[in-house]
Amino acid sequence: GAGVSQSPSNKVTEKGKDVELRCDPISGHTALYWYRQRLGQGLEFLIYFQGNSAPDKSGLPSDRFSAERTGESVSTLTIQRTQQEDSAVYLCASSLMVAGADTQYFGPGTRLTVL
Amino acid sequence: AQSVTQLDSHVSVSEGTPVLLRCNYSSSYSPSLFWYVQHPNKGLQLLLKYTSAATLVKGINGFEAEFKKSETSFHLTKPSAHMSDAAEYFCVVSASGGYQKVTFGTGTKLQVIP
Repeated sequence: GAGVSQSPSNKVTEKGKDVELRCDPISGHTALYWYRQRLGQGLEFLIYFQGNSAPDKSGLPSDRFSAERTGESVSTLTIQRTQQEDSAVYLCASSLMVAGADTQYFGPGTRLTVL
Repeated sequence: AQSVTQLDSHVSVSEGTPVLLRCNYSSSYSPSLFWYVQHPNKGLQLLLKYTSAATLVKGINGFEAEFKKSETSFHLTKPSAHMSDAAEYFCVVSASGGYQKVTFGTGTKLQVIP
């Protein structure tokens, strides 16, 4: 079946503008994660969704960042008033359920460049 | 609390020689451990995972890793490197004693020299 998809694949924006990134998880996957990967660095956890439970937002770096997920489907990550330090690849992953052993399946990422 | 440390940011090996990528972890609970690979301009792919079954885990492309609780290590190995193994490798820990989000290491870039 289809894997995790993300759109757009690339986004160039001007400092101060808002951006919205989209993630379509694998159908049936109840858990969804957003990560940020800055150039040459590892993955930084941002936010996690599990079904209808309250999301774990502990990784969001500032109140300019927010994310929503409708049920167990699409998620959007919104960055308001973008800054140059927001430039990174934003990765989405989904897994079948929340448990330590679950494999996360990653999307190809959205490369965000803030000018 | 949990953390993962990848001891080498870069590893360079000759084609046909063994690969060793080191990973140490800490976790308050019995952990699940993963290795992911990221090829240039491609998405992350699971190589293998340890989930409290056999301590020696075999993954794709000839990679394997051994969970050593006494050493809190989960090093990734391969007997003979191929050029196609050149990529970045991430060690990941996730506690299984209750929900904990996964924690990624900072990654190790593997260079394979012809």
